Amino acid sequence: GESVGLHLPTLSVQEGDNSIINCAYSNSASDYFIWYKQESGKGPQFIIDIRSNMDKRQGQRVTVLLNKTVKHLSLQIAATQPGDSAVYFCAERWAAGNKLTFGGGTRVLVKP
Amino acid sequence: GAVVSQHPSWVICKSGTSVKIECRSLDFQATTMFWYRQFPKQSLMLMATSNEGSKATYEQGVEKDKFLINHASLTLSTLTVTSAHPEDSSFYICSPQQGAYGYTFGSGTRLTVV
Repeated sequence: GESVGLHLPTLSVQEGDNSIINCAYSNSASDYFIWYKQESGKGPQFIIDIRSNMDKRQGQRVTVLLNKTVKHLSLQIAATQPGDSAVYFCAERWAAGNKLTFGGGTRVLVKP
Repeated sequence: GAVVSQHPSWVICKSGTSVKIECRSLDFQATTMFWYRQFPKQSLMLMATSNEGSKATYEQGVEKDKFLINHASLTLSTLTVTSAHPEDSSFYICSPQQGAYGYTFGSGTRLTVV
């Protein structure tokens, strides 16, 4: 995914509901994907990752789904809490290299 | 594990001066260090990749003479913004790599050039 402009897509979700954040990645040869959470003024925080030989991985309250056919990655957050309010980024690693390329980000706002 | 220390967390400098940002991996050794820049409401953009003891590889459009990267040890890397200008004001983030799948991040440095 390429970085987008100044407007971050925003997902507003009611506290306790499930959240789904989507990401279209750019390279069909990418072998590793990571979701990060970034709070204002802080560095990215690892949430969950998935390798290209898998299509689903679960963590605590989070699930990542990978659809390589359409180059799509999603992050599901169960029972969203106020502390989940942040900007979420997907990142992909091209198999031929070592560096990560970040998507444009999605802002999640949790309403009490 | 995978504790990263980045300093300073914020800095204000005058136009034309230089600023050094330090990034340390406290409990692991990082053979590869990535430096990112992030403008407000935008994503992280990779500036350069450095391997310990080697010269950094800069991404297209990033001036290597302006953004000096030193990666002299497996636990320390520095980014120096030379002759800073207001357009260099941004959020700079280091990312030491731990193993093949360990992409950790520092807490970031907010640089404001006045």
